[in-house]
Amino acid sequence: DGGITQSPKYLFRKEGQNVTLSCEQNLNHDAMYWYRQDPGQGLRLIYYSQIVNDFQKGDIAEGYSVSREKKESFPLTVTSAQKNPTAFYLCASSIDSQGNTEAFFGQGTRLTVV
Amino acid sequence: GNSVTQMEGPVTLSEEAFLTINCTYTATGYPSLFWYVQYPGEGLQLLLKATKADDKGSNKGFEATYRKETTSFHLEKGSVQVSDSAVYFCALSGLSNSGYALNFGKGTSLLVTP
Repeated sequence: DGGITQSPKYLFRKEGQNVTLSCEQNLNHDAMYWYRQDPGQGLRLIYYSQIVNDFQKGDIAEGYSVSREKKESFPLTVTSAQKNPTAFYLCASSIDSQGNTEAFFGQGTRLTVV
Repeated sequence: GNSVTQMEGPVTLSEEAFLTINCTYTATGYPSLFWYVQYPGEGLQLLLKATKADDKGSNKGFEATYRKETTSFHLEKGSVQVSDSAVYFCALSGLSNSGYALNFGKGTSLLVTP
């Protein structure tokens, strides 16, 4: 079955550590996205990539980094510079790199800083 | 850039009641409009979509009509069930202040009681 796989589902991190969230898709989609979800704030765009080896900052990119070395993969690193990293992180992809078509979402990764 | 405004919740209804969740948008050009649903602890699932003015999207008893004259895409269901309890997000395609990605409303939490 085609889809988007995020791992792990739950992640705990100590303060001051970097952590990488995995996102893989087998839908052959060009575009991939990372959103952060906090209670009452909806989804906020962290980074997006329209094509391999290219990515753009979204609304809240500070303290995060990404790479897009393969079409299928778009990992997100939460660095120690991110002041409040505890949140639910959602990865998505779409066939259209201009944001004109629906996005398909993974099941999310819940990150908790301890 | 494109943006979407969604009514705030939470919305609490009795089973079999009529549901309306309001969504209005600001956009240039001819964006596509979407409703997504999120169940607790999960990612977002596409509920329905409309790609041009006067289109009606429908799925699982939910409907929404793309109204260009009122810039609205309200979600309706004639008779809700307990299993409809979830968070609903309105979304807009195209270029927003964030970039080329779907732009989401803040979500409306729906609780349906027996």
